Amino acid sequence: GESVGLHLPTLSVQEGDNSIINCAYSNSASDYFIWYKQESGKGPQFIIDIRSNMDKRQGQRVTVLLNKTVKHLSLQIAATQPGDSAVYFCAEILFSSGSARQLTFGSGTQLTVLP
Amino acid sequence: DGGITQSPKYLFRKEGQNVTLSCEQNLNHDAMYWYRQDPGQGLRLIYYSQIVNDFQKGDIAEGYSVSREKKESFPLTVTSAQKNPTAFYLCASRGADTQYFGPGTRLTVL
Repeated sequence: GESVGLHLPTLSVQEGDNSIINCAYSNSASDYFIWYKQESGKGPQFIIDIRSNMDKRQGQRVTVLLNKTVKHLSLQIAATQPGDSAVYFCAEILFSSGSARQLTFGSGTQLTVLP
Repeated sequence: DGGITQSPKYLFRKEGQNVTLSCEQNLNHDAMYWYRQDPGQGLRLIYYSQIVNDFQKGDIAEGYSVSREKKESFPLTVTSAQKNPTAFYLCASRGADTQYFGPGTRLTVL
């Protein structure tokens, strides 16, 4: 079946630089996308979401971009800090799949911030 | 972790034992979910419940059981029929379209 995937399993960036984490999705009908951050041994933490009728959404130090033409999602983190080191997951929801709003997750990208 | 709690944080099980993982939320959410996470992998859905006294199997329900007697609580039982139960278990509840996760329970079979 269709699933969400990630381009790179690991990403290392210098502290203070901007980070870009990418995600490819295969279901062009997906309606809603979420980025989660998961630190080691902890549960995923909601970062930011975006609906399919948008192409950009900004939060505090984070921006999510959605390119429906190529079915690509990215998370940009500005001025990356050591506390940003974690695994980042994207997830998608297809509303027509039912009211359960089941998420389809990718396997994650490990972001490491170098001093 | 918001208003979702899971206990215990670590759990050890002997072969052939059933164990129950607790999940409680005070977010007044109707829908709750259980996921399993294996090392280096994404989350896989075990069971979900959209309302009290109702629950549905997810992608990997075999060897697991749940109950939903109260809105706030959605316990997961890992039965002896689950052949490879060692994993990190995550509970979530959903507000509108977004799922929020608890801190997780790490289950190890001895």
